[in-house]
Amino acid sequence: EVQLLESGGGLVQPGGSLRLSCAASGFTFSSYAMNWVRQAPGKGLEWVSAFSGNSGRTYYADSVRGRFTISRDNSKNMLYLQMNSLRTDDTAVYYCATDQLGVFDYWGQGTLVTVSS
Amino acid sequence: DIQMTQSPSTLSASVGDRVTISCRASQSISAWLAWYQQKPGKAPKLLINKASSLQTGVPSRFSGSGSGTEFTLTISSLQPDDFATYYCQHYYSYPGSFGQGTKLEIK
Repeated sequence: EVQLLESGGGLVQPGGSLRLSCAASGFTFSSYAMNWVRQAPGKGLEWVSAFSGNSGRTYYADSVRGRFTISRDNSKNMLYLQMNSLRTDDTAVYYCATDQLGVFDYWGQGTLVTVSS
Repeated sequence: DIQMTQSPSTLSASVGDRVTISCRASQSISAWLAWYQQKPGKAPKLLINKASSLQTGVPSRFSGSGSGTEFTLTISSLQPDDFATYYCQHYYSYPGSFGQGTKLEIK
């Protein structure tokens, strides 16, 4: 059974940093591209970042490029999102999701990031 | 970037109704379209990919159609469990953006 478990969310002040983690199990993690998708309170889904399964390429939404860094540790089946220079509009539930040729077929339960002073 | 527009934003319907949700892409995306269902406080769930291919375990009352720029999600006979928010998403290119969502409410 595929399981994705996010952690690391919390309350942070504007300009601060946070590192999210996603623990994966139940599938061959190294073979999958992985993504972060976020959802601001009461709003829709916004793709944030992706890490390819094989090529090592990374992709970012314009809204986070230069501030967020996605990484993965295939030996530990872990996906990460380092978030720096956080802004109030980064407040959201952050989901990690598996990526089958661009389709997000499995999702974690999400972790809430609140950026507020 | 490709923009996805869903309509309507909110849809009120009754159990047993047939409902259709539309999704339009700003340029042709062939059939590279997925539909997701999200219930309050839960993660989205993949229902359909490649515009019309139902995921394993998804009830057959759900169907998808379309290609190019116009797509639809149809629920043939609404069940109480279907009241949720639905999102389309293209994956023709990176980034694969989402529509703004359609909230399906009980009338």
